[in-house]
Amino acid sequence: EVHLVESGGDLVQPGGSLRLSCTTSDFNFYHFDLTWVRQAPGKGLEWVATMDPLGVIEYYVDSVKGRFTVSRNNAGRSLSLQMNNLRDEDTAIYYCARETLGVLDSWGQGTLVTVSS
Amino acid sequence: EIVLTQSPGTLSVSPGEGATLSCRASQNIGHNYLAWFQQKPGQSPRLLVYGASTRATGIPDRFSGSGSGTDFTLTISEVGPEDSAMYFCQHYSSLPRTFGQGTKVEI
Repeated sequence: EVHLVESGGDLVQPGGSLRLSCTTSDFNFYHFDLTWVRQAPGKGLEWVATMDPLGVIEYYVDSVKGRFTVSRNNAGRSLSLQMNNLRDEDTAIYYCARETLGVLDSWGQGTLVTVSS
Repeated sequence: EIVLTQSPGTLSVSPGEGATLSCRASQNIGHNYLAWFQQKPGQSPRLLVYGASTRATGIPDRFSGSGSGTDFTLTISEVGPEDSAMYFCQHYSSLPRTFGQGTKVEI
């Protein structure tokens, strides 16, 4: 069973910044696309960003483009999400997930980001 | 952007009965790149089905997916209390990947 562990969630004021991390030691990290998905309280799931295995290609949902940056450190087996200029609507549980040929087959337990003054 | 609409919003089922969940796409989903997830309260989503009809590792065979193009179905045969959860469909055929709004299954 694959284990992904997110961290970094916190309470932050609107306009503030936060950096999330996702780590694992359970699989060949550098072989897989990695994705961030978020879920606002009591709401559905929203794909946020995906990064390719080499850390070269990034994809983002329109609502976070220019504010969020995904990165990875394959040697350190970690995925990060730098979130700037945070808004109330960014409040959510943020999950990292492993992709196998586009399929989100393993998920972390999530980390809660709350944007509020 | 492909919009996925799930129905019904809530499905109440008695133990031992079958449940049929629908996911309709606003555009054709190429290669049937459609997945289903189960999410229980306080837990992260769990992959049930991918490629519209292939069960993920460890998923009981009472979960089955079907459909193609724009209409997809997740069927749970003989539901049990452990199947009480939210179920989401998601496409991965293009960007942005989108999810349906979910169906709540109550047992």
